[in-house]
Amino acid sequence: DAMVIQNPRYQVTQFGKPVTLSCSQTLNHNVMYWYQQKSSQAPKLLFHYYDKDFNNEADTPDNFQSRRPNTSFCFLDIRSPGLGDAAMYLCATSRGRRGGAPETQYFGPGTRLLVL
Amino acid sequence: AQKVTQAQTEISVVEKEDVTLDCVYETRDTTYYLFWYKQPPSGELVFLIRRNSFDEQNEISGRYSWNFQKSTSSFNFTITASQVVDSAVYFCALSEATNAGNMLTFGGGTRLMVKP
Repeated sequence: DAMVIQNPRYQVTQFGKPVTLSCSQTLNHNVMYWYQQKSSQAPKLLFHYYDKDFNNEADTPDNFQSRRPNTSFCFLDIRSPGLGDAAMYLCATSRGRRGGAPETQYFGPGTRLLVL
Repeated sequence: AQKVTQAQTEISVVEKEDVTLDCVYETRDTTYYLFWYKQPPSGELVFLIRRNSFDEQNEISGRYSWNFQKSTSSFNFTITASQVVDSAVYFCALSEATNAGNMLTFGGGTRLMVKP
């Protein structure tokens, strides 16, 4: 049973052409994350939603935006993809209680983005 | 600031050998959580274990075992009788209890290759 679903698994886009990646979850977790992972590197957090609160990492480029229309779905929008944005994009979810212990993040299968 | 170091970039073993993946962490918090994730070639990060800083008991799950040594700030992972399906990149990660949103600090990962 898929718990964190990402579509598409592979996405090809053109330089400068906006692209949207999607993530959905069946875990009813209130926290959702987007990571970028380049080859042979650890995942790098771009931003996360804690409930409806959006939290951007300080070094996330403005080119990357996110939307969370409801608990189950979260989108990553890349407004003008550059060649350097080619990477694996991973979505993750977790429970979260403010002041509570860090909870486990569960990851989706990722979307591999190719920019031509 | 927190930091996780996985000094072994790549390890190659022959099937049925035992292998230990090292993880050393730095944190100023007294309460923190440690994680291991497996990333097979398909790309998804698979959760393996979550351990809090107050629980120093070693954990065994089938062929997997974890050795948590607070005195040396290490959380090492051993695979007994390795199999080809264990070939993957393994990430160790840290989350401090004081951080909001369960932020993970990842190590650089260790690529394990198990040869038949």
